[in-house]
Amino acid sequence: GAVVSQHPSRVICKSGTSVKIECRSLDFQATTMFWYRQFPKKSLMLMATSNEGSKATYEQGVEKDKFLINHASLTLSTLTVTSAHPEDSSFYICSARVPGGPRGKTQYFGPGTRLLVL
Amino acid sequence: QQQVKQSPQSLIVQKGGISIINCAYENTAFDYFPWYQQFPGKGPALLIAIRPDVSEKKEGRFTISFNKSAKQFSLHIMDSQPGDSATYFCAAITAGSARQLTFGSGTQLTVLP
Repeated sequence: GAVVSQHPSRVICKSGTSVKIECRSLDFQATTMFWYRQFPKKSLMLMATSNEGSKATYEQGVEKDKFLINHASLTLSTLTVTSAHPEDSSFYICSARVPGGPRGKTQYFGPGTRLLVL
Repeated sequence: QQQVKQSPQSLIVQKGGISIINCAYENTAFDYFPWYQQFPGKGPALLIAIRPDVSEKKEGRFTISFNKSAKQFSLHIMDSQPGDSATYFCAAITAGSARQLTFGSGTQLTVLP
């Protein structure tokens, strides 16, 4: 499969601060990356689609000023949770699609980032 | 609107038994159906996937059965092992450049030793 990494794996921050999460494709170039949020014992909710060199596409109900996404290179997308509050505490997972070929049919996921806002 | 319905929500199977998880969909624009396995605190890992023009795909102990006319597909785990205990998500992907994933609600599988 394709390898996607995330950093940090977990972060604890104070309410009101901003947190940046990095998602990297390690063995392929990803023109498209996705950001998901997952609550305990729930399915993954797509937050936004990140396209290299252009603005991210946000799903309905996701505040784009709250969750800033930057996809500056073909191997890196970042999600910044701005002015984080306790309700933003969650498991954030990124994924990437391998362009073309059999691996391009689906998405490969990072290991996730656990965010806890105090 | 839940586009991919998954059942059961939880499943307990004895070691060596067969685990069966079912999914159904409505959107005929889906053209690829992957299954993901997720362990606690980890991201989902692609397990096996199938195209709608194939009725069955087998990889080791994992088999997907696909019924296009009924818009249903299922995952069978043969000879289930305690290490298979995880949450399983079926998913569907829409054709086109976006290729967004739509997940089922997940099934928490527990395989008893």
